[in-house]
Amino acid sequence: AQSVTQLGSHVSVSEGALVLLRCNYSSSVPPYLFWYVQYPNQGLQLLLKYTTGATLVKGINGFEAEFKKSETSFHLTKPSAHMSDAAEYFCAVSAPGGGNKLTFGTGTQLKVEL
Amino acid sequence: ETGVTQSPTHLIKTRGQQVTLRCSSQSGHNTVSWYQQALGQGPQFIFQYYREEENGRGNFPPRFSGLQFPNYSSELNVNALELDDSALYLCASSLATSLGTDTQYFGPGTRLTVL
Repeated sequence: AQSVTQLGSHVSVSEGALVLLRCNYSSSVPPYLFWYVQYPNQGLQLLLKYTTGATLVKGINGFEAEFKKSETSFHLTKPSAHMSDAAEYFCAVSAPGGGNKLTFGTGTQLKVEL
Repeated sequence: ETGVTQSPTHLIKTRGQQVTLRCSSQSGHNTVSWYQQALGQGPQFIFQYYREEENGRGNFPPRFSGLQFPNYSSELNVNALELDDSALYLCASSLATSLGTDTQYFGPGTRLTVL
């Protein structure tokens, strides 16, 4: 069984500040991990994914995430927030294969302030 | 390359009615998954279809059913609608090969309101 916990349902940062969105997972098999972003009234867009290999994963729009097995974490970061980053972010886990059932966290709403 | 499309975008039904939601896969994809996203929640897996057969199901009752067609498009049917079925329904397509199944790509969703 797999599960995801996203700490902080709402995160607020100033424009230009570091963005850190937290994700911890639980999985009985080596996980595939994903971050998706959802803008208002839209579907989910893939930001980045970890499958195997390099534990630091770079995604679109300047985001990156690091898989830390010892901490069962996959936190999402961006060095400098932009107003356009305001959205809801979902961390998800699946069994190896990526296209298998995704188990999502409850999401973190990111607000970017001037 | 055409992305995942869903129809309709919005739908209003009353309790007890039946609804059919449609999804067209991204070009080249052969697997479709459906998710339910209630307000303020993360998406929940309903089921997945591969080669027109159900290939995994989440914790949803039998009144949630689906179909996948030879062109890999898909339908989600919900019978005997309940108020709690009000949600955004997301379709995701992916490509399954002998090496495994690749990343899922999502459509824009159908917003279902049950009154």
